[in-house]
Amino acid sequence: QTVVTQEPSLTVSPGGTVTLTCASSTGAVTSGYYPNWFQQKPGQAPRALIYSTSNKHSWTPARFSGSLLGGKAALTLSGVQPEDEAEYYCLLYYGGAQDVVFGGGTKLTVL
Amino acid sequence: EVQLVQSGAEVKKPGESLKISCKGSGYSFTSYWIGWVRQMPGKGLEWMGIIYPGDSDTRYSPSFQGQVTISADKSISTAYLQWSSLKASDTAMYYCASGDSFDYWGQGTLVTVSS
Repeated sequence: QTVVTQEPSLTVSPGGTVTLTCASSTGAVTSGYYPNWFQQKPGQAPRALIYSTSNKHSWTPARFSGSLLGGKAALTLSGVQPEDEAEYYCLLYYGGAQDVVFGGGTKLTVL
Repeated sequence: EVQLVQSGAEVKKPGESLKISCKGSGYSFTSYWIGWVRQMPGKGLEWMGIIYPGDSDTRYSPSFQGQVTISADKSISTAYLQWSSLKASDTAMYYCASGDSFDYWGQGTLVTVSS
């Protein structure tokens, strides 16, 4: 069974920069996995942030960016705001529409 | 405005059946896949499966194949997730999502299964 691994938790200071990563048990993550990133705050539905590695939705703040880094998908937050405290999930596509796996999530604390 | 509106919270007993819904509006319902996602209490997101309302092509994650049924009625722009015999372990929040890259999400339906 394919496993997608994220850092369980990260802490960042307001105004700082942090990078969250997303690794696949099958090997290096490439653009062909169409990495997506979602943000979820307590009691809310997930919100889409990034699709196809680095593309932002119209509502995605400019401080969020997606990339590939060292064989993993990465989400970088630059100039972190207190409201960025949330759980972040990556999603990878492994082929068919049913072959989609979420990462375990990263709890980001802004402190 | 694109909206996915899910049916309300449900409380069921083990062994009962259930069908929850996700109604799309503000976009071409038949042109985008709709996915279902499970989130168990205090846990992460799990991909369950997906349906293309245009032709009802349905695919399931291996973990959920045979455990649930996904369907859609394009005449009323609604997708469904159903169980024939609920278990306590089905207790979770269930989300639907659609759009080019699952840009749009429903508000979630909380399903509680308890004797």
